[in-house]
Amino acid sequence: SAVISQKPSRDICQRGTSLTIQCQVDSQVTMMFWYRQQPGQSLTLIATANQGSEATYESGFVIDKFPISRPNLTFSTLTVSNMSPEDSSIYLCSARVPQNTEAFFGQGTRLTVV
Amino acid sequence: QKEVEQDPGPLSVPEGAIVSLNCTYSNSAFQYFMWYRQYSRKGPELLMYTYSSGNKEDGRFTAQVDKSSKYISLFIRDSQPSDSATYLCAMSGGAGNMLTFGGGTRLMVKP
Repeated sequence: SAVISQKPSRDICQRGTSLTIQCQVDSQVTMMFWYRQQPGQSLTLIATANQGSEATYESGFVIDKFPISRPNLTFSTLTVSNMSPEDSSIYLCSARVPQNTEAFFGQGTRLTVV
Repeated sequence: QKEVEQDPGPLSVPEGAIVSLNCTYSNSAFQYFMWYRQYSRKGPELLMYTYSSGNKEDGRFTAQVDKSSKYISLFIRDSQPSDSATYLCAMSGGAGNMLTFGGGTRLMVKP
């Protein structure tokens, strides 16, 4: 298994600003992911964070809006840029350990944009 | 049609009841099946993980996979108020494949 620490746990931000969310895993993992979860909804994959290369974004998500870094096998960041109220959501970091299929999640970042 | 369908609930049961949570899927390539529990304002927590068809038991929880029917279930015996949460099913075709999530079922266990 993997233990994932995510911060901040919550934030209230002004529109037009940016927020960077950090994700730290307690062991080296092959794959790290960023999800968004609207209240009462399931998880929507934003992107896969690739170590040493650019992230792979899902349809509807772009690098300019959600830049991602992954400098090593245990750490990643997601930035929500030029925020608007529509970006208010829970953002979740996830990781999969080598050779395994199951994914583990951080506690999430609850973002409110005002 | 979504790849993975899950009744959103809410499902309300009395304490001690047996709970059955289900997902159906359309992609026959799925071989790995997971159940996550998510408490309010928390991240999803992995509960059960199964490969291919069959049953897997862990304490009060039993996961069941029927690949011929493309149907998976999670049974909770002797349900407790602390089981009140949203339960998400997830599945994948392999270690390098993305997870596909169901929409989640909200469960309420009343004392």
